[in-house]
Amino acid sequence: KNEVEQSPQNLTAQEGEFITINCSYSVGISALHWLQQHPGGGIVSLFMLSSGKKKHGRLIATINIQEKHSSLHITASHPRDSAVYICAVKNFGISGNTGKLIFGQGTTLQVKP
Amino acid sequence: NAGVTQTPKFRILKIGQSMTLQCTQDMNHNYMYWYRQDPGMGLKLIYYSVGAGITDKGEVPNGYNVSRSTTEDFPLRLELAAPSQTSVYFCASSVVSSGGGEYFGPGTRLTVL
Repeated sequence: KNEVEQSPQNLTAQEGEFITINCSYSVGISALHWLQQHPGGGIVSLFMLSSGKKKHGRLIATINIQEKHSSLHITASHPRDSAVYICAVKNFGISGNTGKLIFGQGTTLQVKP
Repeated sequence: NAGVTQTPKFRILKIGQSMTLQCTQDMNHNYMYWYRQDPGMGLKLIYYSVGAGITDKGEVPNGYNVSRSTTEDFPLRLELAAPSQTSVYFCASSVVSSGGGEYFGPGTRLTVL
């Protein structure tokens, strides 16, 4: 079982729909990141969370440390939101503070007009 | 700030050739990373560095070497290129392991023929 699991793996939505992508993790973490990657493009960091909730435009990210779960919400989705969304956690391993990220497998989102 | 810059953006190598992928960040980040992303797959950590003069292996270090002589630069060296090294390479940096955001370079698309 992967240490970071995302669901769903693939998601198709109609423009305007509310979208939720989930991320569950099984390790102790210092921070959780949501990343966005457009097809053939670079990787952009959307959010870094260690607790609570953050909002940026139409994007909202929440984290529940006790339940080891995070969600990324997109309100009023648009075709330009079509991308791969990646959840990644940073933890302190047995070897100490390495700062390494553990990645989920990604969620491919397609928003149709 | 330019953020994280990578050169070249694209490169085609013949089997057995060598090359260096350059990565520079101007944010005075202590942590730097090299990832590879194979088509349709997630990111895999090749090497990372927690500061100048300190590097360590990630998940897939074979066939690569790194150095970190300055805080700003973290070059990745490919010796004896193989078709299995065809991938997109991303460099990333962060300021501290626990609370810093992740900043990714635009990527280098490498093809080995």
